Amino acid sequence: QITLKESGPTLVKPTQTLTLTCTFSGFSLKTSGESVGWIRQPPGKAMEWLALIYWDEDKRYSPSLNNRLTVTKDTSKNQVVLTMTNMDPVDTATYYCAHRRGGYDHTYDYWGQGTLVTVSS
Amino acid sequence: DVVMTQSPLSLSVTPGEPASISCRSSQSLLHRNGYNYVDWFLQRPGQSPQLLIYLASHRASGVPDRFSGSGSGTDFTLKISRVEAEDVGVYFCMQDLQTPPVTFGQGTRLEIK
Repeated sequence: QITLKESGPTLVKPTQTLTLTCTFSGFSLKTSGESVGWIRQPPGKAMEWLALIYWDEDKRYSPSLNNRLTVTKDTSKNQVVLTMTNMDPVDTATYYCAHRRGGYDHTYDYWGQGTLVTVSS
Repeated sequence: DVVMTQSPLSLSVTPGEPASISCRSSQSLLHRNGYNYVDWFLQRPGQSPQLLIYLASHRASGVPDRFSGSGSGTDFTLKISRVEAEDVGVYFCMQDLQTPPVTFGQGTRLEIK
């Protein structure tokens, strides 16, 4: 049974750096093919993909946010950490981490419950 | 970026009646392996997204067979053969071929009449 849960601050000030942690179980990021992604959803808006980290440390970032995002993993703790710099009110959103199944049939098959982050002074 | 355009954006359906949602992409999502990398999700009120369909037409584990996906290239459809009360929520499509970035449709809100 795969589960993921996001944790981090619910409120950040403009220009601050956001750090979110995804703690997961039911799979290992030491296993070939496994990866974890981050996706966000501003209130009332569509989902926006942010980043992906693979078991082998390979990473992918949204081109529009690339210079603000960093994703890392701690396999001993079964955690993935997303940092986003220079936060702005438009970054207010529910942030999700999700397990991405590998192989030819790759898909985001399990999602965390999400965590709402509000950016306001 | 690949633009995913869903229609309609909202749907009101009588229980037991069918429903259909369209998703069109700005680029082909057909891989040379023959698979289309389009997924469909349902986000019930207050919940996180649930995978319904992957590779355009493959039902995810535990998903009722009243849900089906079809399409190829740039035109995709999610169909619910007989809508039930538990199907209420927002449905969205996602492409995971022409990446980064993965991109999503705007979402279609389904309500029960």
